[in-house]
Amino acid sequence: EIVLTQSPATLSLSPGERATLSCGASQSVSSNYLAWYQQKPGLAPRLLIYDASSRATGIPDRFSGSGSGTDFTLTISRLEPEDFAVYYCQQYGSTITFGQGTRLEIK
Amino acid sequence: EVQLVESGGGLVKPGGSLRLSCAASGFTFSSYTMNWVRQAPGKGLEWVSSISDTSSYIYYADSVKGRFTISRDNAKNSLYLQMNSLRAEDTAVYYCARDALGMDNWGQGTLVTVSS
Repeated sequence: EIVLTQSPATLSLSPGERATLSCGASQSVSSNYLAWYQQKPGLAPRLLIYDASSRATGIPDRFSGSGSGTDFTLTISRLEPEDFAVYYCQQYGSTITFGQGTRLEIK
Repeated sequence: EVQLVESGGGLVKPGGSLRLSCAASGFTFSSYTMNWVRQAPGKGLEWVSSISDTSSYIYYADSVKGRFTISRDNAKNSLYLQMNSLRAEDTAVYYCARDALGMDNWGQGTLVTVSS
């Protein structure tokens, strides 16, 4: 099983700032089959990024994904008030696993 | 519009059983792999099980293997999760999610509480 470790656990930033979230895998993710999700309280997760760097339908271009192998990054270029939420990475190159999440909070 | 609506959650005693359903609409259900994902209160996401479009391929997390059974009825556009020998640690919101380059559509979830 591939273990995904997200860092930091909590990120405190202000609107307008740039956010960088990391996801490290215990072994290489096949074909860079890595996704990122956003989850707000009481709601289901929303797919942001798939295949490590492709934006899902309707996702603003301030969200971008990068990385390959074992190191992946989600970048939010300029934070909007609605971006403060919990973010999860997930790999689907082998038996599906999720990271433990990064909470993005308003500073 | 893609819609996934879970049902069947509730309060059950340890050792009991429950069957969750997920009704799909707005897309060709029989063409997609489907997943169950759960989230314990205040915790992160945990993948539970996946079933391919024709039910040929089925996978389970180790934590539920031998206790949970995933199935689908493409004629009824429905996904199921039969949960037996439930434990307190199975308490969670259970989501069904469509598999398409990541999980691109999710239901609203149904809460399962295992408690005496």
